[in-house]
Amino acid sequence: DGGITQSPKYLFRKEGQNVTLSCEQNLNHDAMYWYRQDPGQGLRLIYYSQIVNDFQKGDIAEGYSVSREKKESFPLTVTSAQKNPTAFYLCASGTGRSPLHFGNGTRLTVT
Amino acid sequence: SQQGEEDPQALSIQEGENATMNCSYKTSINNLQWYRQNSGRGLVHLILIRSNEREKHSGRLRVTLDTSKKSSSLLITASRAADTASYFCATDPFVIQGAQKLVFGQGTRLTINP
Repeated sequence: DGGITQSPKYLFRKEGQNVTLSCEQNLNHDAMYWYRQDPGQGLRLIYYSQIVNDFQKGDIAEGYSVSREKKESFPLTVTSAQKNPTAFYLCASGTGRSPLHFGNGTRLTVT
Repeated sequence: SQQGEEDPQALSIQEGENATMNCSYKTSINNLQWYRQNSGRGLVHLILIRSNEREKHSGRLRVTLDTSKKSSSLLITASRAADTASYFCATDPFVIQGAQKLVFGQGTRLTINP
């Protein structure tokens, strides 16, 4: 079954700790994306990557970092510099200008 | 930057009725896409309409696009309880080169009452 797997589904961290969210896809898509969703809001782009070993900042990249060492994987690190990290994080992949495929998200709670 | 604005923010109708959601945007686009999100889940693509298309159908879904008014609408006919979800429009801003960077509206929360 082709798709995108995000793990874990729920994540709890203490303030000041870095945390890494996993995103893996087996759709053979070149592009991968990270979005953040706050309650009752739309999605905001954090980072995206069009090819391996290359990635670009989105609209709200401050306090986040990514890597793209493999085509299948695009992990997101939420650093202690992110002022309001509690949110629902969605990973997506796509090719060309076709619709995106989304994972089922990771809900991060920082206390 | 949030380009898409959706209206209404919430919609509650009876099963069997039609549901219409609207989306407005600000810049030229390659295409406009509609997605659905069930509570606590990822988004699922519903339909894509290109900038040179005016109307598109998929099952009980009908999407229109008016590029002169920079607006789109999504119509769900004969609604079912299972249609209860949030619906998002996403625009693919026109750029000469570069990645698809979808810009999402804040969504319409649709509730279908049995």
